[in-house]
Amino acid sequence: SYELTQPPSVSVSPGQTASITCSGDTLGDKFACWYQQKPGQSPVLVIYQDTKRPSGIPERFSGSNSGNTATLTISGTQAMDEADYYCQAWDSSTSYVFGPGTKVTVL
Amino acid sequence: EVLLVQSGAEVKKPGATVKISCKVSGYTFTDYYMHWVKQAPGKGLEWMGLVDPEDGETIYAEKFQGRVTLTADTSTDTAYMELSSLRSEDTAVYYCTTLGTTSPFDIWGQGTMVTVSS
Repeated sequence: SYELTQPPSVSVSPGQTASITCSGDTLGDKFACWYQQKPGQSPVLVIYQDTKRPSGIPERFSGSNSGNTATLTISGTQAMDEADYYCQAWDSSTSYVFGPGTKVTVL
Repeated sequence: EVLLVQSGAEVKKPGATVKISCKVSGYTFTDYYMHWVKQAPGKGLEWMGLVDPEDGETIYAEKFQGRVTLTADTSTDTAYMELSSLRSEDTAVYYCTTLGTTSPFDIWGQGTMVTVSS
C-alpha cells in the first residue's frame, strides 16, 4: 500500500519560515493537499491540488509538489499557526492516503 | 451555511456494531463524495473510504474492507458509516468530510467519539 512520510516535529521562531515535507513514491504525479488541525478541532484545509489556497487561508501558507516530495511552507509564522499538519495524497491507483502528521511548534 | 452534523458519542462492547450518521445541509448532497476519516486518541488521520451519494458506489481502504459499510440516503441528505466486529483499536473519533484534495470544497463534521470497551 502507498505510504507518505513526514517529520514528526518542526520548530520555528515567530516571524520565521517553517517548511514541512511530505515524501512518497512519485508523489509529484499525484494530487497533494495539506490540513491543519488544532487540539480538539476538526482539520482545516490549507492547501489543495498541490499549490492552491482555499479562500480565507492566509497568503503565508504555500505549497509545492514535485518528484517524491510535497512541501508546505509557512512564511512569517505566527503563534496561531502552532498545530498538527497532515499531508494527503490521491490518485486513481493509490486512492486517498494521509501522512502521519507533523507537529509545528512556534517557540 | 454548509454543515455536516454527526450523531453523538457511542460506547460499544467488543464484537458489536456501530452506525454513525452525518446530516448534510447547505449544499446539494449528491454533488460531492462523502469520505470517512478515523482518528484514534493522540494519533493521526486515517482514510477509511468514501461513498458517492449520487449512485451509492463505494471505495474502501484496504484496512477496513469487509468491516465498514458506507451508505447515503438522498431522501434525508444523510450519510452513514457502519463499523462491525468492533475491537479496542477502533476507539477513535470518526469524521465525515467532503475532503478537498482537488477542490476547495472541504467540509468536516464535528466528529463522533466511539469508545469500545468491555
